[in-house]
Amino acid sequence: DAGVTQSPTHLIKTRGQQVTLRCSPKSGHDTVSWYQQALGQGPQFIFQYYEEEERQRGNFPDRFSGHQFPNYSSELNVNALLLGDSALYLCASSFNRAQGYTFGSGTRLTVV
Amino acid sequence: TQLLEQSPQFLSIQEGENLTVYCNSSSVFSSLQWYRQEPGEGPVLLVTVVTGGEVKKLKRLTFQFGDARKDSSLHITAAQPGDTGLYLCAGPNPAQGGSEKLVFGKGTKLTVNP
Repeated sequence: DAGVTQSPTHLIKTRGQQVTLRCSPKSGHDTVSWYQQALGQGPQFIFQYYEEEERQRGNFPDRFSGHQFPNYSSELNVNALLLGDSALYLCASSFNRAQGYTFGSGTRLTVV
Repeated sequence: TQLLEQSPQFLSIQEGENLTVYCNSSSVFSSLQWYRQEPGEGPVLLVTVVTGGEVKKLKRLTFQFGDARKDSSLHITAAQPGDTGLYLCAGPNPAQGGSEKLVFGKGTKLTVNP
């Protein structure tokens, strides 16, 4: 049973460019959340998708946007990349919050 | 301001020693979760505690939720090198009732030396 799958695993982009990160949730999960984890920090909530709609959003600018597809997979898009966007981007899926979240291994984004 | 404060930030011990790490808040949480994260990987859920005063055991790991649901601790008995990792506590944002938004502490980075 595959867990949460994220792609790509590593990515290097230039300041000002746009990036798209992808996530396939664990089988049976219908909710996808995205987190940003800077070096030495805990993950910070970006937003959550359920039934193809953004359900909740953290304190991130509009440059961060997302999408969820009918098969529950999700994309995170970041426009006009800044050096400070360099981080590990984690996708987490869930079905019932009380059962906790399953995280993917993340995408390491480096902006140069 | 961090909603969840974890201490210590770093901990380096020898194999076989016992240790306790802490997760504290001034806010009441409906539940708290503990995760372990290894380098280059995502966090892996260890346990969820829901009831104030609850104690859960997972092999050599003991988790406790404070009576007032503002704090939690993780105790590891006879630590092994395989316990090395970043231990994170997290909970639903108490400022948003029923929130799906998890807030995390900064974590405790544990190193167990052979």
